[in-house]
Amino acid sequence: ETGVTQTPRHLVMGMTNKKSLKCEQHLGHNAMYWYKQSAKKPLELMFVYNFKEQTENNSVPSRFSPECPNSSHLFLHLHTLQPEDSALYLCASSPGTGDTETQYFGPGTRLLVL
Amino acid sequence: GQNIDQPTEMTATEGAIVQINCTYQTSGFNGLFWYQQHAGEAPTFLSYNVLDGLEEKGRFSSFLSRSKGYSYLLLKELQMKDSASYLCAVRDSNYQLIWGAGTKLIIKP
Repeated sequence: ETGVTQTPRHLVMGMTNKKSLKCEQHLGHNAMYWYKQSAKKPLELMFVYNFKEQTENNSVPSRFSPECPNSSHLFLHLHTLQPEDSALYLCASSPGTGDTETQYFGPGTRLLVL
Repeated sequence: GQNIDQPTEMTATEGAIVQINCTYQTSGFNGLFWYQQHAGEAPTFLSYNVLDGLEEKGRFSSFLSRSKGYSYLLLKELQMKDSASYLCAVRDSNYQLIWGAGTKLIIKP
């Protein structure tokens, strides 16, 4: 039990659809992250929130829109996606963003864009 | 550019020992992490090294040499459940984690 949950676990969507991914952490952490994981590629950091404030946006296309209403919840809103956006989207949390902070991951949402 | 290199895939025998290497070139260094990820599951934290030397935790040990930009994860007394991908990640000078592509470890009976 990692304490980080993600829904849905699997999602198939067309390029014109709008959907949202949800992440919730039950660990009392202050930082939350969105990562993209493609097959045989390194994890790509997309967004970082610390105390509900976005601190990192790694040149992510605007078709991905994050939302962090509080320190426990993180959303990733998706619209007009491309087939190359198909991947595993992982959410993580950590107590803070300092050098020794360990990130705890959710199980991910497997996304397929048709 | 920043880069983390680790072998794509390794195979080992149940009960044996395996060493997974990781080399890195990053802008600054603020610690190195190893994570385990079973297929279809979340990455889970294994170890953290910030000083040179060996950190031992049960069957798993992690070694770091900052001067060589090198780390390894040593797994002893391999079990079938150790079949997974092992991810190496380095925290750079901006405290951002730079990830390797992972090493898929296959354990055979």
